[in-house]
Amino acid sequence: DAGITQSPRHKVTETGTPVTLRCHQTENHRYMYWYRQDPGHGLRLIHYSYGVKDTDKGEVSDGYSVSRSKTEDFLLTLESATSSQTSVYFCAIGTGGNQPQHFGDGTRLSIL
Amino acid sequence: DQQVKQNSPSLSVQEGRISILNCDYTNSMFDYFLWYKKYPAEGPTFLISISSIKDKNEDGRFTVFLNKSAKHLSLHIVPSQPGDSAVYFCAASAKSGTYKYIFGTGTRLKVLA
Repeated sequence: DAGITQSPRHKVTETGTPVTLRCHQTENHRYMYWYRQDPGHGLRLIHYSYGVKDTDKGEVSDGYSVSRSKTEDFLLTLESATSSQTSVYFCAIGTGGNQPQHFGDGTRLSIL
Repeated sequence: DQQVKQNSPSLSVQEGRISILNCDYTNSMFDYFLWYKKYPAEGPTFLISISSIKDKNEDGRFTVFLNKSAKHLSLHIVPSQPGDSAVYFCAASAKSGTYKYIFGTGTRLKVLA
């Protein structure tokens, strides 16, 4: 298995609170991605990173921010969580080119 | 607008028979396509991929076919096994230097013993 660890694996929180999800890799891959998975939508890209301090938006980035201060860590932050952000969040890593991304096991986030 | 579509949310197949999962795309700039398999409570795992310069790629029981003129790809699993029961996602990426994927909505395959 690719060395990807997501934490926490489960979280329940209240609307309006800040939430940070962590993705840690031991593969030294350049690219890191955050996706959310929702019924009827598949996986949708939130933000991605192409190097330390280099990040960009994906297709559903509103309400989310990211940071990458080290190659191995990519953080996803919900500044003020809303119920529409209840989802399963997956981190992925990649080397670029025609090489597949590899995914972590996900974080199930419930916002009440 | 959904650029990658999997129009069948679910599929049931008898063990030993062929499973065919379909995927359509709209963006002619896509040049790399992948299939991922996902079990409950786990992350998606890479299954097989194909570049737009090919029309077929095989890996054991899994074959992916690409029809560029129809903007269609399919995954064939022969023979199907109960352990193949999972959700299958197709994904596509374009020459952009960022290697972002666009995923379909998934097809839940159930292989009946």
